[in-house]
Amino acid sequence: ILNVEQSPQSLHVQEGDSTNFTCSFPSSNFYALHWYRWETAKSPEALFVMTLNGDEKKKGRISATLNTKEGYSYLYIKGSQPEDSATYLCAFFPPAGGATNKLIFGTGTLLAVQP
Amino acid sequence: EAQVTQNPRYLITVTGKKLTVTCSQNMNHEYMSWYRQDPGLGLRQIYYSMNVEVTDKGDVPEGYKVSRKEKRNFPLILESPSPNQTSLYFCASSTRTGQGNTGELFFGEGSRLTVL
Repeated sequence: ILNVEQSPQSLHVQEGDSTNFTCSFPSSNFYALHWYRWETAKSPEALFVMTLNGDEKKKGRISATLNTKEGYSYLYIKGSQPEDSATYLCAFFPPAGGATNKLIFGTGTLLAVQP
Repeated sequence: EAQVTQNPRYLITVTGKKLTVTCSQNMNHEYMSWYRQDPGLGLRQIYYSMNVEVTDKGDVPEGYKVSRKEKRNFPLILESPSPNQTSLYFCASSTRTGQGNTGELFFGEGSRLTVL
């Protein structure tokens, strides 16, 4: 069974703090990794789609890195703001699912930013 | 505006009463999928469709049916709902034209279903 693990499960930070969390996935035969941001009472929205080892992507204060050889991706938020409060999901795209877009989702990291 | 629309957003029903959750997208996406979200678990795929008239089971298909008669619509059918199908359901779509395309998913706003 392929597992995607995210840590920590939840995180409480103060406004202005920088933070990061981890997504771990099987490193063999990597295909792609997605990051999504899910605000309460809304639907998940894509942040990044990462496909190459060493990929670094950035969107405003949020950035992500990818290490396919060791099977992890980091998501960084610089200078957290209350509007960054959300659950951050990663989803792994295994090779067998490559032809079927069969993403395997982690359980997410819940980020709460206190003003 | 590009969007995925689900209906109903909220539904309380009783065991055994057939229901359909509709999903429609206006982005001309080939790929559509249904997920359920339960506490402590990641989003789990129920069914997906690579294109019109092409559907396949995801990880948790038991108790569900789908159809894809038109590109834009992908309804989820619960023929005889049971309490263990109480969940938050998401429909999603993406560009997906075959192996090698790793398009991001666009999600609907979710449908919260309670089966008594």
